[in-house]
Formats: sequence, structure tokens, C-alpha cells
Amino acid sequence: QVQLVQSGGEVKKPGASVKVSCKASGYMFTDYFMHWVRQAPGQGLEWMGRIKPNTAVTNYAQKFLGRVTMTTDASINTAYMELTRLTSDDTAVYYCTRKNDVGTFDVWGQGTMVTVSS
Amino acid sequence: DIVMTQSPLSLPVTPGEPASISCRSSQSLLHSNGNNYLDWYLQKPGQSPQLLIYLGSIRASGVPDRFSGSGSGTDFTLHISRVEADDVGVYYCMQALQAETFGQGTRVEI
Repeated sequence: QVQLVQSGGEVKKPGASVKVSCKASGYMFTDYFMHWVRQAPGQGLEWMGRIKPNTAVTNYAQKFLGRVTMTTDASINTAYMELTRLTSDDTAVYYCTRKNDVGTFDVWGQGTMVTVSS
Repeated sequence: DIVMTQSPLSLPVTPGEPASISCRSSQSLLHSNGNNYLDWYLQKPGQSPQLLIYLGSIRASGVPDRFSGSGSGTDFTLHISRVEADDVGVYYCMQALQAETFGQGTRVEI
């Protein structure tokens, strides 16, 4: 079945960087955009950006420009999201999610908790 | 960015009774192809979001028929015909016409 499995939780200090991975299975990884969405504790969902694995074309939310980099490794069906210059406001659960042919987020990873604390 | 506004933000419900959530967008979500690019997601406690409704009114695979979506342009509604205990969680609308944006979420509780 179609599945996205993310890397484990991270604890980082302010100013550091974090790289979260998302391994896909059950479908042709290169055919679909992978998006990243985050959720701060007790808050709503926030779209961060997307990447098309077969072309590496990316689009990032204005808020994260200059701090986020999304990449993929098609040889292992894995997408990555790196966020730099972390602050406490970046403490959140980070989700990867696939956009399907109809244009909806039909599969989600389990989420990766990133905690930024000194 | 397109701003999505949901109401109410908290919705107490009674099992067996109907419920509805409103979602309004700052710009029309009606594409020239006739589709409204509006999705509904449910995030159950401790879980990742799950797709309920897409293109405004189409139920995703496996979603019970007590869930339905309506609306067009800038005004949309999620309807639950008869609430069940398993329906508790936070419901989000999301526009997919431009760079995706979500509503604030509506917490549904028994």
C-alpha cells in the first residue's frame, strides 16, 4: 500500500539546522509532488512547500524562503526537508504528504516532532 | 495568499445529530475548468490529517456517506448527517487553487 515513513524526532538548539526524511513506498515516487506541512503545538496546519522528484523543481512558501531546502533521492524513494537557523517558533510536527493526480493530499507521513530549545 | 476562514472554531456535537462547518475563502476557488479547489481534512487526536472531501464535494475513498461537502466560489460547507463518536477531532478546509493554505481548524467534540 502507499506509505510515507518519516524519520524520528529531533531536538535542536536555536540557530542549528534540522533535516527530516520521508521514505515513500507503494507507488512511483518520481511521478508525484511531495509537499511538507508543519503544525506547531496546539496550532493549525501550515504549508511549507513542495518538490517534484523527477525534476527537483521546488516551490516554497514565502515565509520560509531562504531557510528551507527540499530535496529528493529517487534511488531510495526518499524526500528531505532541511530547515536552517532554527528558533523556538520552529518547534512543530513536520509532515510530508503526497499530492495525487486529482490534486489532493491523499497520503501523509506519521509526522516528525522537531523541538528547538536551548 | 488566499486566506481561509472557518466557523465555528469549536463545535460541541451530540451523537446522532447533524453538524456543519463553514469555510470561506478570500478569493474564488472556482477554476475555469469548473472545479472548486477546496478540500476537507480531519485530524483525529494524535494522528496525521486524513482526506475527507476533495474538489468541494467529492468524498474520498473509504469516507462514510454521512460526510458531504457543498458550496462553490468562496463559500463552502462540510456536513455530517449524523455525528458519531469517532468523528471527534479537528476539521480543516484547504484551498489548492494556488499555494496551499488551510483554515484555522474547527474542533469537534462530543
